[in-house]
Amino acid sequence: AQSVTQLGSHVSVSEGALVLLRCNYSSSVPPYLFWYVQYPNQGLQLLLKYTTGATLVKGINGFEAEFKKSETSFHLTKPSAHMSDAAEYFCAVSNPRGQGGSEKLVFGKGTKLTVNP
Amino acid sequence: GAVVSQHPSRVICKSGTSVKIECRSLDFQATTMFWYRQFPKQSLMLMATSNEGSKATYEQGVEKDKFLINHASLTLSTLTVTSAHPEDSSFYICSARVIQGGDGNTIYFGEGSWLTVV
Repeated sequence: AQSVTQLGSHVSVSEGALVLLRCNYSSSVPPYLFWYVQYPNQGLQLLLKYTTGATLVKGINGFEAEFKKSETSFHLTKPSAHMSDAAEYFCAVSNPRGQGGSEKLVFGKGTKLTVNP
Repeated sequence: GAVVSQHPSRVICKSGTSVKIECRSLDFQATTMFWYRQFPKQSLMLMATSNEGSKATYEQGVEKDKFLINHASLTLSTLTVTSAHPEDSSFYICSARVIQGGDGNTIYFGEGSWLTVV
């Protein structure tokens, strides 16, 4: 079964500082990995995804994540935090279609990012 | 990215009544849609997988007769909460898998629907 662990339910950074949100996954087949952001009372917005190919993935709003198979990790980073980045971030894993695994997304518990002025 | 729309965004209903939430893929076709439930300050819990033209697949512990899912077309899935009770109050989010073009491995989410049962 697949699972996702997000280390740290709350992360607080200063404006302009590096953002690092950690995500580790467990999957029996090569996974597809996603980061979503959720602003209060809203749905989820896709930040970035890894399916195949380049392991460093760039997303929207200056975020990027690196797939490290050896570490089973997919940490999300941004060099300089903005106040507008304050939100809940979810890491998710799914299996490719036809790989015999579940196609559905399995989410981590989320990390709330606070950006201090 | 692809657009998924949910309606209504907020709904209040009386205990014992039924309420329907719609999920539409606006610019793509989706053979598979997913319904999630999110409690305050918690992660998303998958309720069921909605398959166009066939029965939905429910997750363990989710009552099929209470949460009716219909996926009548490639762009519309509906979730009906029957005989709603206050404990059904929650944020319901749908998502749809893109099946066309080079983005076939991404799931996009709707804006969510707040249900309050009074």
